[in-house]
Amino acid sequence: DGGITQSPKYLFRKEGQNVTLSCEQNLNHDAMYWYRQDPGQGLRLIYYSQIVNDFQKGDIAEGYSVSREKKESFPLTVTSAQKNPTAFYLCASSDRDRTEAFFGQGTRLTVV
Amino acid sequence: AQSVTQLDSQVPVFEEAPVELRCNYSSSVSVYLFWYVQYPNQGLQLLLKYLSGSTLVKGINGFEAEFNKSQTSFHLRKPSVHISDTAEYFCAVSAPGGYQKVTFGTGTKLQVIP
Repeated sequence: DGGITQSPKYLFRKEGQNVTLSCEQNLNHDAMYWYRQDPGQGLRLIYYSQIVNDFQKGDIAEGYSVSREKKESFPLTVTSAQKNPTAFYLCASSDRDRTEAFFGQGTRLTVV
Repeated sequence: AQSVTQLDSQVPVFEEAPVELRCNYSSSVSVYLFWYVQYPNQGLQLLLKYLSGSTLVKGINGFEAEFNKSQTSFHLRKPSVHISDTAEYFCAVSAPGGYQKVTFGTGTKLQVIP
């Protein structure tokens, strides 16, 4: 079955450590996205990539970094510069038309 | 700039009763509109979308929504809810040109009471 796989589902890290969230898709989609979800705030776009080796900042990119070395993979690194990293992170991808996106199951990051 | 307002943060409804979840948007260009459902600790699943054409859109799980351009609304309806519909629902608006332009509402939690 085609889909988007995010791992791990739950992640705990100490304050000041960088952490990388994995996102893999086998839908052959060109575009991939990272969103952050906080209670009562909906989803906010962190980074997106429309093609391999290219990515752009979204609305809340500060303290995050990404790479897109392969079409299937779009890992997100939460750096120590992110002031409030505890959140639910969602990865998504969309096809060439980019009229909708398919979401992974999310990673809940807790920084203690 | 575009925005989405979901007027109700929580909606309780008895099982088998009808429900309407409200969504209003603002945009200066033509829009695409979406409703997603999210179960606890899960990703988002597309319920339905409006891109063009008929203003009444039918989706999965018996949901439907109507695009009303004059009222800038895209309310979600279901004639008879089930316990399994308990979830959070997100309205989203996009402009042609790529999904990176999607703006999400803050969500409405639907609680179905047995």
